[in-house]
Amino acid sequence: NAGVTQTPKFRVLKTGQSMTLLCAQDMNHEYMYWYRQDPGMGLRLIHYSVGEGTTAKGEVPDGYNVSRLKKQNFLLGLESAAPSQTSVYFCASSYPHQPYSNQPQHFGDGTRLSIL
Amino acid sequence: GQQVMQIPQYQHVQEGEDFTTYCNSSTTLSNIQWYKQRPGGHPVFLIQLVKSGEVKKQKRLTFQFGEAKKNSSLHITATQTTDVGTYFCAGGTSYDKVIFGPGTSLSVIP
Repeated sequence: NAGVTQTPKFRVLKTGQSMTLLCAQDMNHEYMYWYRQDPGMGLRLIHYSVGEGTTAKGEVPDGYNVSRLKKQNFLLGLESAAPSQTSVYFCASSYPHQPYSNQPQHFGDGTRLSIL
Repeated sequence: GQQVMQIPQYQHVQEGEDFTTYCNSSTTLSNIQWYKQRPGGHPVFLIQLVKSGEVKKQKRLTFQFGEAKKNSSLHITATQTTDVGTYFCAGGTSYDKVIFGPGTSLSVIP
């Protein structure tokens, strides 16, 4: 099993360019998440999805869009990249929550994105 | 909004010493998760605590959830070089997502 696969692993963009990050999971998880990780700030939730065709905003959604057309895929788009979006982006997935508890999240290896 | 804080931000220990990281939430949590991220790697789930006052052990790691369900701790006994990494707590208030703390970075000096 591949688990959670993110593509690409590295990317350098110029300010104003657009791109899409792809996350694919083969664990039949309902929930999927996009985080960004910056030094000293932990993991901040950008957007998430609790099922195919649904998306919701997280902590830091501005400048990003997402789509979940298929259960196994979750796409993160940057329409007009800015230097402040330089970060490491992690995708994660999980089973639906149980009564009174969340479920463990499984992470991909991350995408290192630099915006010049 | 809800915040999850962790202290310390960094900890350097001699191999064999103990290590503790503390996690505090501004609101009551339904459950708390702990993750470990090795340098250059991705976060890996360690454990989840759900009950007030719960204590769980994994070999040299001891996890506690406070009575008020607003704080948690991770204690490592006799650290080893394999313990190096950043430890994150993640608090659950809504069941579809968690809020991660900023993490505690552990260095172990051989």
